[in-house]
Amino acid sequence: SAVISQKPSRDICQRGTSLTIQCQVDSQVTMMFWYRQQPGQSLTLIATANQGSEATYESGFVIDKFPISRPNLTFSTLTVSNMSPEDSSIYLCSVERPGQGATGELFFGEGSRLTVL
Amino acid sequence: DAKTTQPPSMDCAEGRAANLPCNHSTISGNEYVYWYRQIHSQGPQYIIHGLKNNETNEMASLIITEDRKSSTLILPHATLRDTAVYYCTSYKYIFGTGTRLKVLA
Repeated sequence: SAVISQKPSRDICQRGTSLTIQCQVDSQVTMMFWYRQQPGQSLTLIATANQGSEATYESGFVIDKFPISRPNLTFSTLTVSNMSPEDSSIYLCSVERPGQGATGELFFGEGSRLTVL
Repeated sequence: DAKTTQPPSMDCAEGRAANLPCNHSTISGNEYVYWYRQIHSQGPQYIIHGLKNNETNEMASLIITEDRKSSTLILPHATLRDTAVYYCTSYKYIFGTGTRLKVLA
């Protein structure tokens, strides 16, 4: 398995500001995934981040709003820019199980709970 | 993208088996079925996955129909701590709406 640490675990932010969420993994992984979970809803994939290349965004998510960095094989950041109350969600970092024989199962961090006032 | 359909909620008595169904009729031949659960305020937790054969681990059993269009997650002896939202996915990065399982004392 993989152990994933996210920071911050929660934050309260003012409208119009930006917040960067950090994700640290205890193993080297090729792909890292960022999800959003709005209150009472399921998980929605924001983007997939590969080391050394631009992140790939899902429909409805754009780089200007959710810029992602992936500087190495164990770390990624997601920034939520120019926040509005609609951005209040839990943001989750995820990776596939590393190692040989892995068949795509995902492991998640504990999430970053963001409240925008 | 392959999609899944799950009942929105289920109840199960403590100590009984919880059988959670999932329909994935559009699954492709090489796509696995994955199950996760999310206990309130925590990140989702991987449970089990399978391709064609039934699978069992220390957490649960997974029964996949021969045509692979549906599957059932079985928690053999549900406890109160199994109360959670259970997600079935057949396209590994995309999550459906899940089933909210409530285990009753």
